[in-house]
This record gives sequence, C-alpha cells and structure tokens, in this order.
Amino acid sequence: DAGVIQSPRHEVTEMGQEVTLRCKPISGHNSLFWYRQTMMRGLELLIYFNNNVPIDDSGMPEDRFSAKMPNASFSTLKIQPSEPRDSAVYFCASNPAVGGAVTGELFFGEGSRLTVL
Amino acid sequence: SQQGEEDPQALSIQEGENATMNCSYKTSINNLQWYRQNSGRGLVHLILIRSNEREKHSGRLRVTLDTSKKSSSLLITASRAADTASYFCATVEGNNFNKFYFGSGTKLNVKP
Repeated sequence: DAGVIQSPRHEVTEMGQEVTLRCKPISGHNSLFWYRQTMMRGLELLIYFNNNVPIDDSGMPEDRFSAKMPNASFSTLKIQPSEPRDSAVYFCASNPAVGGAVTGELFFGEGSRLTVL
Repeated sequence: SQQGEEDPQALSIQEGENATMNCSYKTSINNLQWYRQNSGRGLVHLILIRSNEREKHSGRLRVTLDTSKKSSSLLITASRAADTASYFCATVEGNNFNKFYFGSGTKLNVKP
C-alpha cells in the first residue's frame, strides 16, 4: 500500500492568500485525522472524520480553517485567509476504524510544511 | 488537559547504551501508544500497550505502563545511531477511542 499521501509537501505563501492542503488516506481506512505540529504547541488535533462525516472539529483554531472529505479517498484542509501564525507542519492520519471507533494505531502521512510570509 | 508529557525533553547517549523515555498523563485511558518521528518525516507507530497490560516488548523496545501512577516508559536497548529521532507518547481516552492526545516528545540523539 502507498500509505497516506499528502500534498503539497512544502508550501510558501503570502499572508492573506488561500491555502489548500490535500490528503489521500490508506484505502479501506474510514477514519481520517488532521493534525498541526509546531514547536510551541506540539501536535494538535484539528478535526477528524469517520465515514466522510466530520465528527469533532473542536480543534479547528478559527473560522479561517475549514476541512472537507467529499469521498472516502480524499480530504482537504483549507485556510483562508492565511496568516503567519498558521506556519506549521500539517499532518493527515488515517485508521481502519470499526463501528466508528479507532482501532490500533494511526497511520501518518509525511506532512505538508506551510510557511506564511 | 489529557495530553501526555514526555520526560526528558532531550536525551543524548552513545551508541550501544540504553535510552529511557517517560510519559505521564492525567485521565483514564483505553491504551497508550509510542510513535517515532525522524526529522522532516511523519510519525510512525512503534508499540501499543492496553490499559490492562503492564509491560510489552517488541524487538529492542520495552514499554511499561503504570495506570496507578498514570505513567509509561519506553526503553530502547542497545541503541543505534539510526534510533536518532523524536519519540512521542499518545494516549487514547477510555471512553472516546477517537481522541488521541500526543505529548511534546523526547528528542533522542544517539552518537556513533
């Protein structure tokens, strides 16, 4: 299996621009998670989906952030407008899940490093 | 918060020595997991220990869990330079299996 695939791996943009990060989970995995990693705050859970439905978005920092999962093989995290404090590495992770509950470990992508100037 | 806290934040040892990292957490858990992250890469799962288990082994890894003290330790024996990475514990809530809380990590440097 190819693992969790994220794109782009690196993104440099200017403040105010829209940023879209993409994730393809492992085939057959029906839970998908978006995390943000910074030196100051570590790994923060932003949102997770189960069977394409957002279950908990309490970690999304503010209305500038939105996430979608239109189908089982694709998810996006959008930031509009972006700000310098959004600079971080954004990770997508997936899990097989059974009956809506995560089983075992999370499988992480390689991350998208975002720099907002 | 439920977030696990690792200790120490950084650890530097010589190749061949053992490395011990600790993790403390605050509330009840279903299981606790350890992950490894190489620089610039994603997290990779190492080992999972359930709340009713006290010790688990996998190759050169040994994990212990003390639910009374709400703590866990990860021991890497006979370390190698390739073990250089950051190590994170993640706790999974007892009643919400979808919530993973990651600690701040221990940065391990193994000198050849």
